[in-house]
Order: sequence, then C-alpha cells, then structure tokens
Amino acid sequence: QVQLVQSGPEVKKPGASVKACCKASGYTFNKYYVHWVRQAPGQGLEWMGVISPSGGSTSYAQKFQGRVTLTRDTSTSAVYMELSSLRSEDTAVYYCARDVDVGVLVDWGQGTLVTVSS
Amino acid sequence: SYEVTQPPSVSVSPGQTATITCSGDNLGNKDVSWFQQKPGQSPVLVIFEDSSRPSGIPERFSGSNSGNTATLTISGTQAIDEADFYCLAWDSSTEWVFGGGTKLTVL
Repeated sequence: QVQLVQSGPEVKKPGASVKACCKASGYTFNKYYVHWVRQAPGQGLEWMGVISPSGGSTSYAQKFQGRVTLTRDTSTSAVYMELSSLRSEDTAVYYCARDVDVGVLVDWGQGTLVTVSS
Repeated sequence: SYEVTQPPSVSVSPGQTATITCSGDNLGNKDVSWFQQKPGQSPVLVIFEDSSRPSGIPERFSGSNSGNTATLTISGTQAIDEADFYCLAWDSSTEWVFGGGTKLTVL
C-alpha cells in the first residue's frame, strides 16, 4: 500500500533552517508529484509548494519564495522540504502529500511538527 | 494573489444535508478538491475535480463548481462527519490555494 512516512519532530531557534523528509513507498516514486502543506496550531491548511520527482522541477507559493526549497532523492524515494530563516510563525505541522492527477492529493504523510522557539 | 473564502462554521442536524461553500473569482474555471480533517489527523481527500469521489468515500459526499462558488454537499449527515473541511483550488495560471476551512458541527 502507498505510504508517505515523514521525519520526526524538530525544535529550532529563530533564524535557523529545518529540513524535513518524506519517504515514499508502495508506488512508482518518479511518477507522481509531491506537495508540501503546513498547518499552524489551530489554523488552516497552507500550500507551500510542489515537486516533480522525475525531473526535480518545483513550484512554490509566492509567500515562501526564497525561503523554501524542495528536493528529491530518487535513489531512496524521498522528498525533502527545507525552510530557512525560521521565525516563530513557522511553528506548524508540515505535511507531504502525493498528487495522482493534478491537485488530487490522495495520500498524505503523518506530518512533521516543527517548533521554532528561542 | 488568488484567494478562496469559506464560512468558518456550519451546523447541521443528524440526517440532514450539510452545504459548505468555497468562493473565489471565477472559481468555476478552476479545479476544486475538498478535504476532511479530524482533530489530530492528516487531511483526507473527499472530492476531486469538482465532483468526483475517491474510492472509499461514501456516496453522501458530493461536489459541484460553477460561477464563483464551489459547493460540498453531505447528504444524510452523520455524527462521524463532524470535522474541518477545506477546499483547494488550482489552475495552470495560479498556484494551489486552500480555503480557510469550515468547521462542520453535527448537533
């Protein structure tokens, strides 16, 4: 079965960077785009960006341009989300999600909690 | 940047029909998906491409999209349907955008 398993919780200081991992299994990794979505405590979902695992092309939300970088490692079927210049407002659960047909986010990871605190 | 708007909350009695809207400029020209999220859980896709249901999603969930409004309809609402619901809109000229979410309460 399809699984997206994300890395564990992180605690970072303001100004630092965080790199979260999303390891895919149960399907052909190169075939489907992977999105990243975050959710601050008690808040709604926020789209951050998407990556094509086959070619590595990316598209980012304007809000995160310059601060977020999505990469992939086809040898391990993993996608990475790196967010830099962290501030307290970046405290959130970060989800990865598989897109099976343009906006059809049918499979989600369990989320990675990132806490930014001095 | 493009924005879509949802009502913060909707209440419905068990067995009745719940309607959750998602509004945006010319939203009918975009693809809309709907997600259900229960506390402490990852979102679950319940409607994609405006009105299609993924396998495993009950038939009581349906969707439509026209003009400036997309609608998620839950017929015969059950207590287990109580959750937060989010719309997601996309087309090739804009980035993906989530609505702010609607808390569905089944009283």
